Amino acid sequence: QKEVEQDPGPLSVPEGAIVSLNCTYSNSAFQYFMWYRQYSRKGPELLMYTYSSGNKEDGRFTAQVDKSSKYISLFIRDSQPSDSATYLCAMSGGSRQAGTALIFGKGTTLSVSS
Amino acid sequence: DAMVIQNPRYQVTQFGKPVTLSCSQTLNHNVMYWYQQKSSQAPKLLFHYYDKDFNNEADTPDNFQSRRPNTSFCFLDIRSPGLGDAAMYLCATGMGEGLGANVLTFGAGSRLTVL
Repeated sequence: QKEVEQDPGPLSVPEGAIVSLNCTYSNSAFQYFMWYRQYSRKGPELLMYTYSSGNKEDGRFTAQVDKSSKYISLFIRDSQPSDSATYLCAMSGGSRQAGTALIFGKGTTLSVSS
Repeated sequence: DAMVIQNPRYQVTQFGKPVTLSCSQTLNHNVMYWYQQKSSQAPKLLFHYYDKDFNNEADTPDNFQSRRPNTSFCFLDIRSPGLGDAAMYLCATGMGEGLGANVLTFGAGSRLTVL
């Protein structure tokens, strides 16, 4: 079993739809959870950052972490064509020291049509 | 704007011909990382520098080397590229400790093609 599982999609939705992206993981030591957005032929950019369990909201984006189920989600409300990208989940263990490797999911490719 | 710059954005090389990719940062971050990302796959950490301390991942092939001459610059050397090394190479930076240690800033990537 891979440490982080993410459905690669592709996921196609119409403009204005609510999008739900998910990752599951197996390592209970993970405490830091991130979502990165990667446009085609570009590097990933940080979208959301969550420590431990709970919800975090930023504009149209909401990140949820359920550590008991080892499941994290990213919700996008009122999706826009500009949201079309690959979304990568990433997570790491409890160390606050650099070099604790981020473990990435494979990414889910999202396409929002106008 | 503070950022991470990678050069070249696109590199074409022949099988076995050495390649060097560069990364520079204006964020003054302690840590610089090199990731390899193949098509439709998760980025895979190759190694990182914490200041001048080099940290190699256990499964990174010997074909891959890195240099960090100063805080701002880091290089990835691929000594004898094979067809399987064709990928996007991502440089990232991060802070040395604290909550920010887990937050990385990525460059736009260097896409390597091996003929």
